[in-house]
Amino acid sequence: GQNIDQPTEMTATEGAIVQINCTYQTSGFNGLFWYQQHAGEAPTFLSYNVLDGLEEKGRFSSFLSRSKGYSYLLLKELQMKDSASYLCAVRLWNSGNTPLVFGKGTRLSVIA
Amino acid sequence: GAVVSQHPSRVICKSGTSVKIECRSLDFQATTMFWYRQFPKQSLMLMATSNEGSKATYEQGVEKDKFLINHASLTLSTLTVTSAHPEDSSFYICSARDLGTGPNTEAFFGQGTRLTVV
Repeated sequence: GQNIDQPTEMTATEGAIVQINCTYQTSGFNGLFWYQQHAGEAPTFLSYNVLDGLEEKGRFSSFLSRSKGYSYLLLKELQMKDSASYLCAVRLWNSGNTPLVFGKGTRLSVIA
Repeated sequence: GAVVSQHPSRVICKSGTSVKIECRSLDFQATTMFWYRQFPKQSLMLMATSNEGSKATYEQGVEKDKFLINHASLTLSTLTVTSAHPEDSSFYICSARDLGTGPNTEAFFGQGTRLTVV
C-alpha cells in the first residue's frame, strides 16, 4: 500500500515561519504536491517538486529529497489567513490517468 | 489557469433517494477525471477514476453499483450516489488534469459537494 505521513496539527504565531514535514513510502513516484485546503472548500495547488531541491514561490517554499522519501512545505511571514489544512500528495506514475495519493493533512492554526 | 466546476455545492436528500453530482472542465478537455471523498478532519480518499467513453475504475472497497460514474464527454463526468444512506454523508470532490499543458501538471479540483443524507 501507499503510505504518506504528515503531522496532524501544528500551531504557529503570526509573522513567524513554519515547516510542515511529509514522508512517503509509495510504489512509484512522479512528483510531490502540496495543496492548501480551507474548511469546507476544495484544495488549491501550492507547489510541486519532482526533482530534489527547493522550489520557492513567494512566501511558500517546498523541498524534496527523493532518496529519503521526504518533503517539507515552508511558510514564511505567516498570516492569519494561512490557517488551513495542508495536504501532501504523491503522483505515482507519469500518465494522464494517475490520481494523486494524499496524506491525511496537517491542520495549521496561526495565532496572534 | 484551468478551471473545474462542480455542482451542486450542497445537497440534502432523504435516505433511499439518489443524488447526481456533476464535474465539468471549463476550459480544457479531460479524458480522465477523479472522484474523491473526504470525511470530517480526514484527507481525500480516491473513490474512482472516471474515463471518457469507458467504464470507471473503482478503488477497493467502493461499491460501483452504489456510486455510478458516467463520463459521457470530454468535459463532463457525473457521480450518482444511489439509494443514499446517512453514512454516505460526506464531502465529494472531483479533479482533473489539463494534459494539454504538459505531463507534469497539477490536478485542479472542483469546489466540492457537501452531501447530507437525512
